[in-house]
Amino acid sequence: EAEVAQSPRYKITEKSQAVAFWCDPISGHATLYWYRQILGQGPELLVQFQDESVVDDSQLPKDRFSAERLKGVDSTLKIQPAELGDSAMYLCASASARGVRAFFGQGTRLTVV
Amino acid sequence: KNEVEQSPQNLTAQEGEFITINCSYSVGISALHWLQQHPGGGIVSLFMLSSGKKKHGRLIATINIQEKHSSLHITASHPRDSAVYICAVSRSGGGADGLTFGKGTHLIIQP
Repeated sequence: EAEVAQSPRYKITEKSQAVAFWCDPISGHATLYWYRQILGQGPELLVQFQDESVVDDSQLPKDRFSAERLKGVDSTLKIQPAELGDSAMYLCASASARGVRAFFGQGTRLTVV
Repeated sequence: KNEVEQSPQNLTAQEGEFITINCSYSVGISALHWLQQHPGGGIVSLFMLSSGKKKHGRLIATINIQEKHSSLHITASHPRDSAVYICAVSRSGGGADGLTFGKGTHLIIQP
């Protein structure tokens, strides 16, 4: 079965540094989501793309976070500068269309020290 | 109050037991999802429901739209079922459809 690819799997960074995560969705999936999961909590949506357009980024801390999906395929989530509270699992998911089953990647576990 | 509530938060059972995890939600939804998250963090979608009942192997998911409640059942539980099970909903009403998640139920099946 096709998978959503994310890299890196693990990242340790010092606070105030920049960090970036990459997601390659399942081929042909127009909808892409980035979620953040803080330890012990359910994931929360950071940003949703439909092709290359942002559908929802209302929960994205835009002063330090940015996300792009320039060609409507793979996507990058960036944090600059990273803060201690950003330590979390960052999950990417894709779906063939809005409102249908989403497939999740393995996630990137970020630790900010 | 969270829009998606799960119970129990933690559940430890013996191999072979019948497991039930509950999910209640307070918003209008177009679909409800049950997800499985293993210790490594990756999430697998188990079911997507908008009505009735679905079955896949030893897993059964039901939803009662009127009562805004869903249950995930595991029959003949096995240690490999140990994971966090997360309930999530897709809101109805248009707009962005990112999922709203419950906090998860941590299930441990002991041999």
